[in-house]
Amino acid sequence: DAGVTQSPTHLIKTRGQQVTLRCSPKSGHDTVSWYQQALGQGPQFIFQYYEEEERQRGNFPDRFSGHQFPNYSSELNVNALLLGDSALYLCASSPGQGAYEQYFGPGTRLTVT
Amino acid sequence: QKEVEQNSGPLSVPEGAIASLNCTYSDRVSQSFFWYRQYSGKSPELIMSIYSNGDKEDGRFTAQLNKASQYVSLLIRDSQPSDSATYLCAVWDTGRRALTFGSGTRLQVQP
Repeated sequence: DAGVTQSPTHLIKTRGQQVTLRCSPKSGHDTVSWYQQALGQGPQFIFQYYEEEERQRGNFPDRFSGHQFPNYSSELNVNALLLGDSALYLCASSPGQGAYEQYFGPGTRLTVT
Repeated sequence: QKEVEQNSGPLSVPEGAIASLNCTYSDRVSQSFFWYRQYSGKSPELIMSIYSNGDKEDGRFTAQLNKASQYVSLLIRDSQPSDSATYLCAVWDTGRRALTFGSGTRLQVQP
């Protein structure tokens, strides 16, 4: 049973560029949530996708956008990258939108220079 | 703003001892609580969930919940050096339908 997968593992981008991160949920899960984790902090909620729509959003600017595909996989896009966007980006999947256990993928380490 | 507070540590315990990790939360209506373990450079791994007042045991781990005091704790019995990690407390935010995390407590188990 495959767990949550994410790609790429690491990424280095320059300020102003755009980036796309990808996530495949755990088998049987239909809901994907994205989190940003800065060094020394807990993960911060970016948004959640269910049935191919953004259902909930945290306190992140519109530069952060996403998509969910019919097979439940998801993408996170960040435009106009800032140095402060450097972080570990985590995808978590769950079997629904409710207070279910969320399982995290290995994360994508984004460095903006 | 709803908050989850944890002592950043490090909490240092000798091998074989009981490690006690604590977490308080501000949202009185919260009903679902989770503990994650995160090794350095890795992603969070779910180790316990608890929804009702009282204790929940799973192997060497016991989660304790007291909703009246808005307090969640994690006990690790017979601590091993491999338990050395950051432990994140997470609370389900019903309004946002998302987890709110504390900043984590770093645990060091000394051999």
